[in-house]
Amino acid sequence: QKEVEQDPGPLSVPEGAIVSLNCTYSNSAFQYFMWYRQYSRKGPELLMYTYSSGNKEDGRFTAQVDKSSKYISLFIRDSQPSDSATYLCAMSAPGNTPLVFGKGTRLSVIA
Amino acid sequence: GAVVSQHPSWVICKSGTSVKIECRSLDFQATTMFWYRQFPKQSLMLMATSNEGSKATYEQGVEKDKFLINHASLTLSTLTVTSAHPEDSSFYICSAPHSEKRDNEQFFGPGTRLTVL
Repeated sequence: QKEVEQDPGPLSVPEGAIVSLNCTYSNSAFQYFMWYRQYSRKGPELLMYTYSSGNKEDGRFTAQVDKSSKYISLFIRDSQPSDSATYLCAMSAPGNTPLVFGKGTRLSVIA
Repeated sequence: GAVVSQHPSWVICKSGTSVKIECRSLDFQATTMFWYRQFPKQSLMLMATSNEGSKATYEQGVEKDKFLINHASLTLSTLTVTSAHPEDSSFYICSAPHSEKRDNEQFFGPGTRLTVL
């Protein structure tokens, strides 16, 4: 079993839809959870950063962490065509440790 | 801020040549930097951890003699792909944690696209 599992999609939704992206993980040592957005041929851009179970909201984005189930989610409300990108979940253990990434989900928002 | 740059942004080289990629933290010091590789439609895979003033730590399956890492200063790490072959063609991305930012928050460079002919 891989440390981080993420459905690669692709996922195609109409503009204005609510998008739900998910990752599961197996390593109990992971304490920091992040979502990155990556456009084609660009470096990843941090969207959300969380370190505790629960919800965190930032504009149209909501990150949800359930440590007991080892499950994290990213919700995008009122999706826009500009949200079309690949979304990567990432997580790490404490300390200066590298991030472990999911495969990424390719999202297309159709106008 | 916390800006990480990479140079070059893209490079094309002939098989058998060596290519050096630079990763710089522009406005902060980074004792640790991470090098990732991303193949098309794949996720970022950690290659190695670069530590200032000491040897890099390589992930299983990554040849240390092929991918030379030098972290000579607190703002610069270099990755040299020696005797590059077409299978080394990939997107190479570095990241650095910032000690004054949130725990384990890492800042990524824009990536370097390597194409080996």
